[in-house]
Amino acid sequence: AQSVTQLDSQVPVFEEAPVELRCNYSSSVSVYLFWYVQYPNQGLQLLLKYLSGSTLVKGINGFEAEFNKSQTSFHLRKPSVHISDTAEYFCAVSHTGTASKLTFGTGTRLQVTL
Amino acid sequence: DTAVSQTPKYLVTQMGNDKSIKCEQNLGHDTMYWYKQDSKKFLKIMFSYNNKELIINETVPNRFSPKSPDKAHLNLHINSLELGDSAVYFCASSPLGSGETQYFGPGTRLLVL
Repeated sequence: AQSVTQLDSQVPVFEEAPVELRCNYSSSVSVYLFWYVQYPNQGLQLLLKYLSGSTLVKGINGFEAEFNKSQTSFHLRKPSVHISDTAEYFCAVSHTGTASKLTFGTGTRLQVTL
Repeated sequence: DTAVSQTPKYLVTQMGNDKSIKCEQNLGHDTMYWYKQDSKKFLKIMFSYNNKELIINETVPNRFSPKSPDKAHLNLHINSLELGDSAVYFCASSPLGSGETQYFGPGTRLLVL
């Protein structure tokens, strides 16, 4: 079985400051890793994903994440946040098989203020 | 054009009623999903269909019955609604494969009174 832990339920940050949202996973087999964002009253959309290759993955809106296999982590970072980045961020994992089953973490609420 | 659409957007109903939520995708994907997001924002997969065949069926009460009339549509019927069914239900679609991006609908907010 696989699981995802997002240690921070809320992260407050000032506009233009850097931010890191933490994600750790547990799995006995190889995984794919994802970050999705959910803006208020909307569905989820993909920020970025790691399938293979370079461990540093760049996504939309200036976000990036680094896959660290030894630490089983996939932390999300942005060097300078905007008010519009205020949203719920979900880390997710799936097994590298054919069934497309995503297991989500509990989410991190990023609150950007002036 | 909306990629993944759901109807209705809001659903308020009494305990014991039966209700359906519809989902349609125009992305040409083979696989569709239903997720439940509870009041604490926790997202959990309920079902997945690939080309009208059920491929994922999580531990969900059998009051919940998905139906896929064709690969562009996946509906969710819920019998005998309970207070605990109150949640946001998301439909999603993707090509088949665990590394594929899933595209989510806007959600259906269900409130059972």
